Amino acid sequence: AQSVSQHNHHVILSEAASLELGCNYSYGGTVNLFWYVQYPGQHLQLLLKYFSGDPLVKGIKGFEAEFIKSKFSFNLRKPSVQWSDTAEYFCAVGENYGQNFVFGPGTRLSVLP
Amino acid sequence: GAVVSQHPSRVICKSGTSVKIECRSLDFQATTMFWYRQFPKQSLMLMATSNEGSKATYEQGVEKDKFLINHASLTLSTLTVTSAHPEDSSFYICSARRGTNSYEQYFGPGTRLTVT
Repeated sequence: AQSVSQHNHHVILSEAASLELGCNYSYGGTVNLFWYVQYPGQHLQLLLKYFSGDPLVKGIKGFEAEFIKSKFSFNLRKPSVQWSDTAEYFCAVGENYGQNFVFGPGTRLSVLP
Repeated sequence: GAVVSQHPSRVICKSGTSVKIECRSLDFQATTMFWYRQFPKQSLMLMATSNEGSKATYEQGVEKDKFLINHASLTLSTLTVTSAHPEDSSFYICSARRGTNSYEQYFGPGTRLTVT
């Protein structure tokens, strides 16, 4: 069965620090990759997604992610975080054009002002 | 576009009663809707996938007789928690996929269920 892992449970950064959140998945076939963010008290919002093409994907709010097929990874990056980026971040992977959609366990990001 | 709503946002019920949660796609037709459960400080766990006009497909370990799912129209799916118990208390989130060729899911705001 598909599994998704996220490297860090809780990340604490100061404002302006750079961010990289790791995501690895296990499925060897065609995948669709997503990063979602859940701000405190709010519902899930899509940050960015990868279906095909350029493996470097740019999303909203200055986030980007790179799909490295050989490493089964889709790490999320942001060069300079802000206090407002404090949230829970979930990596998600869909197999075979949307089937078997699986979420990673999430990484809580706390940005200190 | 692609807004998904859930009703109610919060519900408290007594043990043994049933609770219905609605999920609506407001500005698009959703051929497929998904129901997730999220425990505190944990990730979303897929409970079931519902396709309009057909029976839902439940994930392993999810009791289909306890969590009744109905997807009667292209904009509405309902989850009914039957004979609720305190261990059913959780955050229930639905999502909807637009069209059969869309890979992206749009999430609702979730429903907090508390069973006393």
